Amino acid sequence: QKEVEQDPGPLSVPEGAIVSLNCTYSNSAFQYFMWYRQYSRKGPELLMYTYSSGNKEDGRFTAQVDKSSKYISLFIRDSQPSDSATYLCAMSHNNAGNMLTFGGGTRLMVKP
Amino acid sequence: DAGVTQSPTHLIKTRGQQVTLRCSPKSGHDTVSWYQQALGQGPQFIFQYYEEEERQRGNFPDRFSGHQFPNYSSELNVNALLLGDSALYLCASSSDRVPEAFFGQGTRLTVV
Repeated sequence: QKEVEQDPGPLSVPEGAIVSLNCTYSNSAFQYFMWYRQYSRKGPELLMYTYSSGNKEDGRFTAQVDKSSKYISLFIRDSQPSDSATYLCAMSHNNAGNMLTFGGGTRLMVKP
Repeated sequence: DAGVTQSPTHLIKTRGQQVTLRCSPKSGHDTVSWYQQALGQGPQFIFQYYEEEERQRGNFPDRFSGHQFPNYSSELNVNALLLGDSALYLCASSSDRVPEAFFGQGTRLTVV
């Protein structure tokens, strides 16, 4: 079993929909939780990071962490075709700059 | 700020050959990490360099080695290339003073 699990999708939604992306993990030592967006054949782009449990909002994006359930989510409001990409969750033990453990990524397609 | 830069962008090598990939971190960052991303999968941590020393290492064989220079730039060397080494190699830069890790665009290595 992988340390971080992520549904590979693809997830197809109409433009304007609210998107929910999720990851589960098994290692309770993880404290930093990140979401990256990766366009085809490009490097991952950091969207948000959260320390420990709680919510964090940045524009159309909201990240949630539930450490008791070992479950993290990324919500995208008013989704746009330009949001079509692969979304990767990543986690680290003590500092986001240290070794990151990634999920396999969820491919999202937002249709006009 | 040029961000994280990697070279070359693409590379084709023959099985058994050796390859060197290069990375310049984001201005102000002193830590460089290398990841391997196979097609359709999340990035896997190879190792991390800080103060010119390998600080952490993932589950990769000794054929993978690295170096960090005094200006914080880094190289990834892979010896005795195997077909399975074909992947996108990503460099991430970070600092212990801030939690975020930023990725370059990657080097796509194809071993034939």
